[in-house]
Amino acid sequence: QSVVTQPPSASGTPGQRVTISCSGSSSNIGSNTINWYQQLPGTAPKLLIYSNNQRPSGVTDRFSGSKSGTSASLAISGLQSEDEADYYCAAWDDSLNGPVFGGGTKLTVL
Amino acid sequence: QVQLAQSGAEVKKPGASVRVSCKASGYTFTGYYIHWVRQAPGQGLEWMGRINPNNDGKNSAQMLQGRVTMTIDTSISTAYMELSRLRSDDTAVYYCARQYYDSRGYYFDYWGQGTLITVSS
Repeated sequence: QSVVTQPPSASGTPGQRVTISCSGSSSNIGSNTINWYQQLPGTAPKLLIYSNNQRPSGVTDRFSGSKSGTSASLAISGLQSEDEADYYCAAWDDSLNGPVFGGGTKLTVL
Repeated sequence: QVQLAQSGAEVKKPGASVRVSCKASGYTFTGYYIHWVRQAPGQGLEWMGRINPNNDGKNSAQMLQGRVTMTIDTSISTAYMELSRLRSDDTAVYYCARQYYDSRGYYFDYWGQGTLITVSS
């Protein structure tokens, strides 16, 4: 059981806006930046959002991130079928001296 | 371009050891930590540990301490992760990932393709 909590699933229809939440504690999200990774079926995770709200080069601006206190969220606007994937939040944990991942959220595009 | 190329899939018996390699290219190998992350079938991502190729500094997840060994060969820009006393619940895809760090924090900017390790009698 992860110390960082995400909903196991989320869904939306094409064109819709969807948000995925991530809840942690003072030792991880509360004191460090959060990153989001997208994992398409059968592939390695890919960096989607870093440092709370920064997008790597090549990531569409339909993806955005935010953080407040010990929680964070990923928003996906203009949902597309290609967005169907697993999404993981992650933050450094000062108590564990290592990163912790959320349990992952499976996004389904209906 | 940055690439992390991992060794191929392996099948091991319970109690055995396995070593996975991660060959880096396209950047200065000693400039970035390498982390190891695993993913059991149908499960989420689990951090295993990290190693600093510059000075061999390392730390690992408490639950794996004593079973995981991370090493580096800077001459061939390759990181290794060895897991001993394998159990069936060690069956997973094992990833290496490069850690980027700046004043805002850290993140994994590049990942290997993954190595499936199956533990079965």
